[in-house]
Amino acid sequence: DVKVTQSSRYLVKRTGEKVFLECVQDMDHENMFWYRQDPGLGLRLIYFSYDVKMKEKGDIPEGYSVSREKKERFSLILESASTNQTSMYLCASSLEPNPDSLYGYTFGSGTRLTVV
Amino acid sequence: AQKVTQAQTEISVVEKEDVTLDCVYETRDTTYYLFWYKQPPSGELVFLIRRNSFDEQNEISGRYSWNFQKSTSSFNFTITASQVVDSAVYFCAVTGTASKLTFGTGTRLQVML
Repeated sequence: DVKVTQSSRYLVKRTGEKVFLECVQDMDHENMFWYRQDPGLGLRLIYFSYDVKMKEKGDIPEGYSVSREKKERFSLILESASTNQTSMYLCASSLEPNPDSLYGYTFGSGTRLTVV
Repeated sequence: AQKVTQAQTEISVVEKEDVTLDCVYETRDTTYYLFWYKQPPSGELVFLIRRNSFDEQNEISGRYSWNFQKSTSSFNFTITASQVVDSAVYFCAVTGTASKLTFGTGTRLQVML
């Protein structure tokens, strides 16, 4: 089974701190994604990456950056955390381009970040 | 741009009732894929089904069934004889050639005894 592991389940940080959210997948997937989930808004794409050292902005990239130095690891960085970044963050990976990939995307368990 | 609308924010049913979750999508891609995911209280998104845009056959898997109608851009999900374990948030999503999943806002299903 593909596993996507997010390093922290719960995280509390102070306003202005630099925050790193780590995500590791173990099945050699090319594509990795970061989403945030908020009540009433569903999941919104922050950043994604199709390859090592490659990144593209999603729908809500403001206030975030990412790093992908190795294929299996995709980090989300909050340069200066703010209270409006309090949210659930979900990492996902997929084997693309492969339109026949049966399971689509595999998600991690999520990191619930609270910025105080 | 792609968009998914799940108009039902929350649904409550009594166990053994049938329930249908609605999903309407928008996309300009001619080839696209539709998904349903379940998010139980534990938080992890669980894949339920994937359907490509060329396959309009309905699908049944146990108590779950999906009705894909391209003419109305809908991909509805029905749970037959619901159970308490079906209580979760359900997300519909679409992806096209860019391989980015676009999610709806989710429908919270509560199944009561």
